[in-house]
Formats: sequence, structure tokens, C-alpha cells
Amino acid sequence: GAVVSQHPSRVICKSGTSVKIECRSLDFQATTMFWYRQFPKQSLMLMATSNEGSKATYEQGVEKDKFLINHASLTLSTLTVTSAHPEDSSFYICSAEWLAGDNEQFFGPGTRLTVL
Amino acid sequence: SQQGEEDPQALSIQEGENATMNCSYKTSINNLQWYRQNSGRGLVHLILIRSNEREKHSGRLRVTLDTSKKSSSLLITASRAADTASYFCATILAGGGNKLTFGTGTQLKVEL
Repeated sequence: GAVVSQHPSRVICKSGTSVKIECRSLDFQATTMFWYRQFPKQSLMLMATSNEGSKATYEQGVEKDKFLINHASLTLSTLTVTSAHPEDSSFYICSAEWLAGDNEQFFGPGTRLTVL
Repeated sequence: SQQGEEDPQALSIQEGENATMNCSYKTSINNLQWYRQNSGRGLVHLILIRSNEREKHSGRLRVTLDTSKKSSSLLITASRAADTASYFCATILAGGGNKLTFGTGTQLKVEL
């Protein structure tokens, strides 16, 4: 149980385009999902907390107009990187909070974004 | 910002040996969790230890928590080549809701 999927696993796009990444909890409902960014050989940095049915909460320094988050259902959150630039190239990972336990987070497999 | 520092940053051992990774954090926590990440992949949840617990076991994993020293350790016994990965500690801060704050990570390499 507690499986989280992400789609796509890898995306290459041109500078200026927008990219949408989906995060799904497959076998449990998640009122809260999280979006992280990870640079090579570094740790995960929390970008935002996605709450079902309400606006996302962004961490300091993360542009909410640049990284649009929608959490329209209890099993799906999306992150849209708008007008992507090469500096947005990174590994994006989502997680979903499992309320039945001790608030463990279960992570998706990540999405590798490369902006040319 | 990162809550935790992990050491060592990198660890290379032979298969069959034990591997110990340490995590220190700065502020009071509700719980501390350990995750494993294989290169280019997502994170796998390994074990959670609550702030009122001192030790926890899961298979070949043993986690300790010393809240007076604000530190935790992860011990992997009888390591295998498949244990090669990065290991991260992450904390839920006391009064900090449900956000995880990750440590810097330890890259473990287990050689045959």
C-alpha cells in the first residue's frame, strides 16, 4: 500500500513553454501533498504544500506564479512550471501524507525536467 | 533551509560490514524519519521514530534517537550491494505542522 505515482518521469522542453507534472496517490486518499525540488547530489528542498480544495502554501523564495499547484481531488495534485527556463531544470518529487499512520510521507518516483 | 546535518557525507564499505550514519538537528521535533534514495529515483520510507522513543528496529535497520543531543543514527547491519544509495534523515518539527525538513544526506556505497 501507500503508493504514489508521478507522470511524466522525464520531460524535455524548450525555454518558454509550460510543463505540467502529475502526482497521484494510488491506494489512499491524501488531503495534503508536497512538492520538492532536488538538484544533483543535494538534498530535497520543500517548494510548497498542496492542500486539497484550497490554495497551496509556498515556501519562502518560491514563486507561486511560476510554479502553479492544483490539488483538485484527494488523489491528484499537479505542478505546472510556467514559462520554463534552463535554471528550472531539476528533479521534482512529490509526496503524499498518509494520515492513517504517523503522518509519514510517501514519495513519488520523481520527474526529471530538462529545459533547453 | 535544512534542519539536519548528516555525517559522514559519503561512506564506502565492503559487503557484510555494518554501516552507521548520523543525523543531527537543531530544534525540537515530533518525529524523525529515515529515507533511502537510489540514484535518480524517488525516496523510500525506511523507518519513523517518535520523539518519545529511543530505539527502533526494522529488519536489518536499527535507528536510535537522542533528543537531549538532538541526534539520531541509522545502522544497517550485514550490508549488501543493493543497500548502495543515499540516505536522508528528515524531521517533523514540534509545532511545525506536517512539513518534513531534510538533512544533507549520506551517500553509501557497498562494494562486493
